[in-house]
Amino acid sequence: NAGVTQTPKFQVLKTGQSMTLQCAQDMNHNSMYWYRQDPGMGLRLIYYSASEGTTDKGEVPNGYNVSRLNKREFSLRLESAAPSQTSVYFCASSELQGYGYTFGSGTRLTVV
Amino acid sequence: GESVGLHLPTLSVQEGDNSIINCAYSNSASDYFIWYKQESGKGPQFIIDIRSNMDKRQGQRVTVLLNKTVKHLSLQIAATQPGDSAVYFCAEIGGYNFNKFYFGSGTKLNVKP
Repeated sequence: NAGVTQTPKFQVLKTGQSMTLQCAQDMNHNSMYWYRQDPGMGLRLIYYSASEGTTDKGEVPNGYNVSRLNKREFSLRLESAAPSQTSVYFCASSELQGYGYTFGSGTRLTVV
Repeated sequence: GESVGLHLPTLSVQEGDNSIINCAYSNSASDYFIWYKQESGKGPQFIIDIRSNMDKRQGQRVTVLLNKTVKHLSLQIAATQPGDSAVYFCAEIGGYNFNKFYFGSGTKLNVKP
């Protein structure tokens, strides 16, 4: 039972490059989320998808876009990476809105 | 705005002792709280949750206490083991928006053998 799978696990980008972080869950959860984790700042919500076909901004959406490809997959795109986007990115899913999440193992992104 | 904070950034305990990790929250409208454990290099892992209509909830070796009067949450770990060494976060549902959890910055628990 894989849970939430994120790819890649590590990535180094140059400023201005673009990339997509992939996330897939196999628990048939309705809601999916993208968080970033920075030292001393906890987890901050970037975007979320309450259900297939919907996406909404979280606390720190600037510089990111998302796509809820289907019920299983929720991707996060950086169109023009900036050093301020250096962080660890976590995808999470939940069966219902407002209930505990299952997190992926994270993507460590460095923008130089 | 809402804030979730922790009193101690680092807590060191002796193996076998009980650990208490504290968390303060500011939004009196929050009605659901979760404790997560995050080991180095891994994603957060659900430990235990509690709703605001409860004061206490117990799991396996863990107990969460909620004091709504002072907006305080605590996680008690009984007979702390080396495998309990991790960062612990509390999270609250942000008031009226049931899609948004707010996370504290975490407390690092070090278990000394």
